[in-house]
Amino acid sequence: AQSVTQPDIHITVSEGASLELRCNYSYGATPYLFWYVQSPGQGLQLLLKYFSGDTLVQGIKGFEAEFKRSQSSFNLRKPSVHWSDAAEYFCAVGRISNFGNEKLTFGTGTRLTIIP
Amino acid sequence: EAQVTQNPRYLITVTGKKLTVTCSQNMNHEYMSWYRQDPGLGLRQIYYSMNVEVTDKGDVPEGYKVSRKEKRNFPLILESPSPNQTSLYFCASSPGRTISTYEQYFGPGTRLTVT
Repeated sequence: AQSVTQPDIHITVSEGASLELRCNYSYGATPYLFWYVQSPGQGLQLLLKYFSGDTLVQGIKGFEAEFKRSQSSFNLRKPSVHWSDAAEYFCAVGRISNFGNEKLTFGTGTRLTIIP
Repeated sequence: EAQVTQNPRYLITVTGKKLTVTCSQNMNHEYMSWYRQDPGLGLRQIYYSMNVEVTDKGDVPEGYKVSRKEKRNFPLILESPSPNQTSLYFCASSPGRTISTYEQYFGPGTRLTVT
């Protein structure tokens, strides 16, 4: 069965430091991969997505992610975090359902705390 | 402003009392979906709709109903709510049927408590 694992429940980073959030997936075919961000009290917003082509994907707010097929990973990175980056981050994989429709499976999320 | 709206934003109810959470989008999107978010479980899809009168079960459909009579609206119905349906609910929409290609736009969420 398809699955997404975010091994870090909570990460704390100093403002200005670099960030890497981990995401591992399990999916038989070529995956469609996404990172969403959820700010406190808000809905989810798409940061970036990968379908094919260049394995390094640029997103909004200075984020990037790298698809590594050999490691089944799609880690999210940012070179220098800002206090406004404090939020919960979700990795998701698009998959084909039994009825041929496409569905998203989300990971359990990583909560990011920024300290001064 | 392009948006997905949900009502109510907060709801406290009692076991067995039927309720409906409304969802509306003004972007003429074909695809709409309901998710529930629970601590440690992330988001799980309840139901989705590829177009008017076309709906299908997600990963956790038990205890929920939906309908899609108009393109813009996708209400979530709990016929007999139970405490295990206490959760944060999100409605989302997408411009195309292939959600792997198109971004999903999420509403602000509805926090439901069933006592």
